[in-house]
Amino acid sequence: QKEVEQDPGPLSVPEGAIVSLNCTYSNSAFQYFMWYRQYSRKGPELLMYTYSSGNKEDGRFTAQVDKSSKYISLFIRDSQPSDSATYLCAMRTGRRALTFGSGTRLQVQP
Amino acid sequence: GAVVSQHPSWVICKSGTSVKIECRSLDFQATTMFWYRQFPKQSLMLMATSNEGSKATYEQGVEKDKFLINHASLTLSTLTVTSAHPEDSSFYICSAMHRAQPQHFGDGTRLSIL
Repeated sequence: QKEVEQDPGPLSVPEGAIVSLNCTYSNSAFQYFMWYRQYSRKGPELLMYTYSSGNKEDGRFTAQVDKSSKYISLFIRDSQPSDSATYLCAMRTGRRALTFGSGTRLQVQP
Repeated sequence: GAVVSQHPSWVICKSGTSVKIECRSLDFQATTMFWYRQFPKQSLMLMATSNEGSKATYEQGVEKDKFLINHASLTLSTLTVTSAHPEDSSFYICSAMHRAQPQHFGDGTRLSIL
């Protein structure tokens, strides 16, 4: 079993839809939780960064962390074609390297 | 936001040559830098972790003599692929982190070995 599980998709939604992306994990020691967006042939771009449990909102993006369930989510409101990319969840303990999910490919249809 | 610059973005070279990739943090001091390799449609695979002024820590299965990492300053790390062969062709990505802050990634280097 992988330490971080993420549905690879692809996930196809119409423009304007609310997108829900999720990851589950098994290591209860993870403290920092991140979501990255990666376009083809580019490096990952940090979208959201959360420490411990709770919600965080930034524009159209909302990140949720539920440490009791070992479950994190990213919601994208009013999705746009430019949101089409691969979304990677990532988490770590302290200053250690990130453990990534496999990434979910999102396609927003105009 | 934090910026990490990676250079070159694409390199093609002959088998047997060595290739150096640079990773710079432009607006923060990177106490730790990481090097990843990514195959098509796969997630990032950590190769090594380097702290400024220290030797890099390599992940299991990564050849230290093949992939030389130097982190000589708080803003620069380099990855040198020595005696590169076609199987080393891949997308290499660096990231940088200041203390416990989130990692920021470069835009990657596409390496093609002929």
